[in-house]
Amino acid sequence: QKEVEQDPGPLSVPEGAIVSLNCTYSNSAFQYFMWYRQYSRKGPELLMYTYSSGNKEDGRFTAQVDKSSKYISLFIRDSQPSDSATYLCAMSPNTGGFKTIFGAGTRLFVKA
Amino acid sequence: NAGVMQNPRHLVRRRGQEARLRCSPVKGHSHVYWYRQLPEEGLKFMVYLQKENIIDESGMPKERFSAEFPKEGPSILRIQQVVRGDSAAYFCASSLGAGETQYFGPGTRLLVL
Repeated sequence: QKEVEQDPGPLSVPEGAIVSLNCTYSNSAFQYFMWYRQYSRKGPELLMYTYSSGNKEDGRFTAQVDKSSKYISLFIRDSQPSDSATYLCAMSPNTGGFKTIFGAGTRLFVKA
Repeated sequence: NAGVMQNPRHLVRRRGQEARLRCSPVKGHSHVYWYRQLPEEGLKFMVYLQKENIIDESGMPKERFSAEFPKEGPSILRIQQVVRGDSAAYFCASSLGAGETQYFGPGTRLLVL
């Protein structure tokens, strides 16, 4: 069993839809949870960063962490074609430390 | 506003040759991380270096792979006697301090023929 599981998709939605991306994990030591966006042929860029359980909102993006269920989510409201990318969840037992474990990434397509 | 720079962006090697991948971190960052990404897979940690020191190389294959981050100049990931299975995208990230947010470069795509 992988430490972090993420559905690779692809996920295709119409412009304006609410997108829900999810990851599950098995290591209860994870404390920091991150979402990265990776455009084709580019490096990952950090989108959201959350500590422990709870919600965090940044513009159209909301990150949720449920440590009791070992489940994290990223919601994208009013999705745009420019949101089309691969979204990687990542987590670590300390502050974005070098033991960061990445999910395989979910490919998202937002159709105009 | 120079982020993490990696070169070359694409590298083609024949089996048995050496591959050298270079990474220049964000200015002022002294912590560098190397990751490998295979198609349909996540980023796999390889090695974490701080200037002139290897902090954690638990993700590095024991043979043929080495990394350095000298006092001056870029970090180098070196793969000797490449095999087809080494074909992947190799990403470098840097951070200002240990455990701080990592910023990624554009990656080097290695193709072994």
